[in-house]
Formats: sequence, C-alpha cells, structure tokens
Amino acid sequence: SAVISQKPSRDICQRGTSLTIQCQVDSQVTMMFWYRQQPGQSLTLIATANQGSEATYESGFVIDKFPISRPNLTFSTLTVSNMSPEDSSIYLCSVAANTEAFFGQGTRLTVV
Amino acid sequence: TQLLEQSPQFLSIQEGENLTVYCNSSSVFSSLQWYRQEPGEGPVLLVTVVTGGEVKKLKRLTFQFGDARKDSSLHITAAQPGDTGLYLCAGDLGGKLIFGQGTTLQVKP
Repeated sequence: SAVISQKPSRDICQRGTSLTIQCQVDSQVTMMFWYRQQPGQSLTLIATANQGSEATYESGFVIDKFPISRPNLTFSTLTVSNMSPEDSSIYLCSVAANTEAFFGQGTRLTVV
Repeated sequence: TQLLEQSPQFLSIQEGENLTVYCNSSSVFSSLQWYRQEPGEGPVLLVTVVTGGEVKKLKRLTFQFGDARKDSSLHITAAQPGDTGLYLCAGDLGGKLIFGQGTTLQVKP
C-alpha cells in the first residue's frame, strides 16, 4: 500500500494568482498522477509525472497552465497558474502500487 | 467523448433495496477497478477484475467483468445507509487509469 499526504487540503485564491499543491508519498514510486475532480463528479487525468523527465499531459491540459515538478521518487508538485474561477475544483494526486491506485485526500481549490 | 460510460449517474434508494451500476466501453481494458469515494477523501479501491467473465464478491457487493473485458457491473444487495457515496469504475489503459462519470448513491434509512 501507499500513504499519500497532500497539501494544502483547501485554499481560496484570487484570480490571476498561482497555487502550488504538494504531494508526498511514503514509498518510492515510478509514476505519480494528477487528477482534477468537480465535486460529486468523476476524475479527469491532468498529467503523469515521471521522475527525471518531463510530465506527460493529457489532451486539454498544457504545461504552461499546470507545471509539474518531480524532483525525486517520493514527491511531486502541481502548480495551477494564472487562476480563473473555472479552475475551481478538487485536485488529487495518485500513485499506483501492485495494480491498485492510491489517492491523496485532495486539494479543494476555490478561485474568487 | 467518455471512454467509460457509467450508469446511472445518480441513484436514490431505500434501505434494503438492491441496485446495479454499469460501466461500459468500446475499449478493451487489461483490468477494471471499482472505487468508492466519500466527501473530502480520495477514492478507495473496492476491487480489481482482470479476467473476462470474472465475478468477485465483497460482502453484499458483487462485481462482474464482461467476457470481452469491455464492461463491468457492480451489484449491491440489501443496500444500507453506510453504502452512500460516489462509486467510480476505472479502466487500466496502458498504465493510466481512466475513470467513468461516477454514480452517486444515496441510501435512505
């Protein structure tokens, strides 16, 4: 299993600013995943963060808007840049271990 | 276009009733997983099905993987208020998890 600590758990931000979300895992993992989720709805994959290489972004998501760092095998950050109210959502990081996905508790972001 | 179509998206039932949630796709998955998520928490894995035609039981929950590995179902027998939550199916597509739209289940006492 894997235990994931994600912070902040929630934040209210002004439009035009940026927020960096941190994700710490208690074990070394090759890939970490970042998802976005509207409350009560499904998860949409933003990108896959690989250690030692650039993140791989899904269709509709770009590095300038969601820069990702992966400095080592237990840590990753996702930045939501130049925020607008449309970025208000829950952001979750995830890792896979033995075909099971483990998730952080999520960061609830509100942009005003 | 949703790769995994999950239905129904919302279900409100009385305690003791049975229900089935469906997850359908035109793609073949190497495995399919079901998660349950409660407010303020990340999804938690309930089961993984790998073999076409596989059936797994978890207490009152029965999971089935279609023969062609394109679809799956979750059946809950005698639902209880504690079953309330968001249920998500997810397919493994080349190491990435792709999620269905989710089913919000409300079980009223």
